[in-house]
Amino acid sequence: QVQLVQSGAEVKKPGASVKVSCKASGYTFTSYGISWVRQAPGQGLEWMGWISAYNGNTNYAQKLQGRVTMTTDTSTSTAYMELRSLRSDDTAVYYCARAVGWGRPDYWGQGTLVTVSS
Amino acid sequence: QAVVTQEPSLTVSPGGTVTLTCGSSTGAVTSGHYPYWFQQKPGQAPRTLIYDTSNKHSWTPARFSGSLLGGKAALTLSGAQPEDEAEYYCLLSYSGARGDVVFGGGTKLTVL
Repeated sequence: QVQLVQSGAEVKKPGASVKVSCKASGYTFTSYGISWVRQAPGQGLEWMGWISAYNGNTNYAQKLQGRVTMTTDTSTSTAYMELRSLRSDDTAVYYCARAVGWGRPDYWGQGTLVTVSS
Repeated sequence: QAVVTQEPSLTVSPGGTVTLTCGSSTGAVTSGHYPYWFQQKPGQAPRTLIYDTSNKHSWTPARFSGSLLGGKAALTLSGAQPEDEAEYYCLLSYSGARGDVVFGGGTKLTVL
């Protein structure tokens, strides 16, 4: 069965970086992309971007351009999302999801809470 | 960037029927937006219910259905159950050079 298992919760100071991992299993990793979605406390879902696990092509949400990098390691079927120059409003649960097309999520990871606080 | 709109909240009686809608600031929603619908309960990750307008996953209860209605994407729940109380999000894909994906703001569905 398809599973996406994310790394554990993180606490970071403003200005720091965070890197969240997402290990996929139960399907051919390079046949799909990985989308990243975040959810601030009490708020809705925000699509952050997408990476093709086949060729590494990416598409980032405009508001995060320059601060986010998405990568994959096909040898371990793992995707990574790094967010730099963290601010308090980056505090959120970050989800990875297997993506079809240009980033539409179907199977979801369990989420990773990232807290940005001084 | 396009804005995707949903009703902030809706209430349905147990056993009743309710339709949630998903509109786009760019105009009518079509099958080319590949509408998706997600269910999220408190403290849980979202779960994909409907993809590409009307297709269901194996775990999607039969009482949920997706369609296009009056220029919007729609999620209809027929025979609401208490466990259907949740937040529901739609998602639309926009073609073009960027190929962005945009979530709606979500609809809080109360079964009461």
